[in-house]
Amino acid sequence: KQEVTQIPAALSVPEGENLVLNCSFTDSAIYNLQWFRQDPGKGLTSLLLIQSSQREQTSGRLNASLDKSSGRSTLYIAASQPGDSATYLCAVTNFGNEKLTFGTGTRLTIIP
Amino acid sequence: DAGITQSPRHKVTETGTPVTLRCHQTENHRYMYWYRQDPGHGLRLIHYSYGVKDTDKGEVSDGYSVSRSKTEDFLLTLESATSSQTSVYFCAISELGGVQETQYFGPGTRLLVL
Repeated sequence: KQEVTQIPAALSVPEGENLVLNCSFTDSAIYNLQWFRQDPGKGLTSLLLIQSSQREQTSGRLNASLDKSSGRSTLYIAASQPGDSATYLCAVTNFGNEKLTFGTGTRLTIIP
Repeated sequence: DAGITQSPRHKVTETGTPVTLRCHQTENHRYMYWYRQDPGHGLRLIHYSYGVKDTDKGEVSDGYSVSRSKTEDFLLTLESATSSQTSVYFCAISELGGVQETQYFGPGTRLLVL
């Protein structure tokens, strides 16, 4: 059974710093990996989707990497801003059932 | 933002009563999903639909049923609500399924079972 882990559960950094969020998964047989953002009391918003054949995806100040063989992904946020404060979740789509398995998320706080 | 609404947004009910949550989409997407989100568990799939009248179970389907009689509506029913079903419920949609594209999520329904 696929398990997705995100450590740490919470992270606080000063504004302007670059930061990295981590995601690990136990079964490397995946179609893709996604990073989502969730603001308090809101639904999830997709940030980046990396297909299993890709190594990374970029969108603005966000860069996500995927190392399928080691079961790891990172989300790099450059020049962090208070508006980046949210919970970030990663999820993998598994071979065989095509369903998303989510991690429990990292709650990020950017300190002005 | 994808056109997904959920109703009600908040509900308080008593143990043993039936509850129905509604997800409505205006995107005409084929796939619809119901998840629940609980502290320490992340989001877990309850049921999903791959077309009108076509549904299947997810990871945590016990105690839940679904129906989809129209493309735009996906209903989740708690047949006899229990306190363990207190959660935040999210609906999601996608056109192509999880292999090729992301899912778009609704705003959530916060359910409290007393």
